[in-house]
Amino acid sequence: DAMVIQNPRYQVTQFGKPVTLSCSQTLNHNVMYWYQQKSSQAPKLLFHYYDKDFNNEADTPDNFQSRRPNTSFCFLDIRSPGLGDAAMYLCATSRDGTAGEQYFGPGTRLTVT
Amino acid sequence: GENVEQHPSTLSVQEGDSAVIKCTYSDSASNYFPWYKQELGKRPQLIIDIRSNVGEKKDQRIAVTLNKTAKHFSLHITETQPEDSAVYFCAARPGGFKTIFGAGTRLFVKA
Repeated sequence: DAMVIQNPRYQVTQFGKPVTLSCSQTLNHNVMYWYQQKSSQAPKLLFHYYDKDFNNEADTPDNFQSRRPNTSFCFLDIRSPGLGDAAMYLCATSRDGTAGEQYFGPGTRLTVT
Repeated sequence: GENVEQHPSTLSVQEGDSAVIKCTYSDSASNYFPWYKQELGKRPQLIIDIRSNVGEKKDQRIAVTLNKTAKHFSLHITETQPEDSAVYFCAARPGGFKTIFGAGTRLFVKA
């Protein structure tokens, strides 16, 4: 059974056109993360939510925003996508912030034209 | 700052041989060390993890060792199979929510 679900799996947007990626989880985990992964690179953490508390990484561009309306859902908003934002976006969850497993979703591959 | 170095970046082995990937972390507060396998176009999948109070952990053909003093940890895959071919990421969690990933090792297992 799917535990971390991402929609859509593939997204094409135009340069400068806002886009939203969605993530949902059936694990009832407290923490949800968004990562950006470019080809042949490690996942890069953009931000995370611990419950309703939002935590932005220092080097995450202002162009990236996130919303978590409830425990199950989390959204990544890219306000004005640039060509450099084309990447795989991975959502992940963990039960809490202690040493424990992160569960990754299948990812959304974003193409910017 | 927090950093995880991973070597080698590419590893090619013959089917049946062993593969070893090594990582070094910088933050001595790190207490959890997961290893992820990522096949092309797919999500990272946890294959094994180790906590800082353990020196070694084994799961069938996969083992991980941790040397806290030297801040080294390694992944060992024995009897490699073609389906082991993927990118492997080591990672360290220095407490809190952030996971620091290594740059990845692309493993090729030749049949």
